[in-house]
Amino acid sequence: KAGVTQTPRYLIKTRGQQVTLSCSPISGHRSVSWYQQTPGQGLQFLFEYFSETQRNKGNFPGRFSGRQFSNSRSEMNVSTLELGDSALYLCASSASGTQTYEQYFGPGTRLTVT
Amino acid sequence: QKEVEQDPGPLSVPEGAIVSLNCTYSNSAFQYFMWYRQYSRKGPELLMYTYSSGNKEDGRFTAQVDKSSKYISLFIRDSQPSDSATYLCAMSLGGSYIPTFGRGTSLIVHP
Repeated sequence: KAGVTQTPRYLIKTRGQQVTLSCSPISGHRSVSWYQQTPGQGLQFLFEYFSETQRNKGNFPGRFSGRQFSNSRSEMNVSTLELGDSALYLCASSASGTQTYEQYFGPGTRLTVT
Repeated sequence: QKEVEQDPGPLSVPEGAIVSLNCTYSNSAFQYFMWYRQYSRKGPELLMYTYSSGNKEDGRFTAQVDKSSKYISLFIRDSQPSDSATYLCAMSLGGSYIPTFGRGTSLIVHP
């Protein structure tokens, strides 16, 4: 089975712009979670989608949003980028809605905001 | 106090050593305990997870959970330079609850 894929792998954006990141989960997985990873804060949970519905949400401002499509693929969007949004954005998928302890991560999208 | 505490290291050991990586936690309701390995500039890779207390072994890796002490460990036997990575622990209440991650311990295995 193919693993979790994320596109693009690298992005450079300017402060104030917006960005959309994409994630394709492992085939058959229905839960997709997004995380932000920085050296200072570690891995921080953004949100989780299951069956096209946002089921869990972390403590991030409304500039961070996401969605999930009927094929379980997910996108996250960050509007009005700030320098502090520079991070590795990770997507993780789980097979079912009750096994979110067993998450498989993609390679991440490294976002640099200048 | 953070929910999950993990020493960031780095932990430097010679090849062949037994490595012990540890996490402590404060929420006694956690039921699932996971260990991830993350190589530089890659996403975390799930090594193993354990339900409740006890030990679980997978090749050179052994995960140990002591719920009474709120302490978990990952042991790596016969460590190799290829084991050099950051190891993150994570814990979950189970079900649809999102795991809580430690900050990770950097491990360096030198030849």
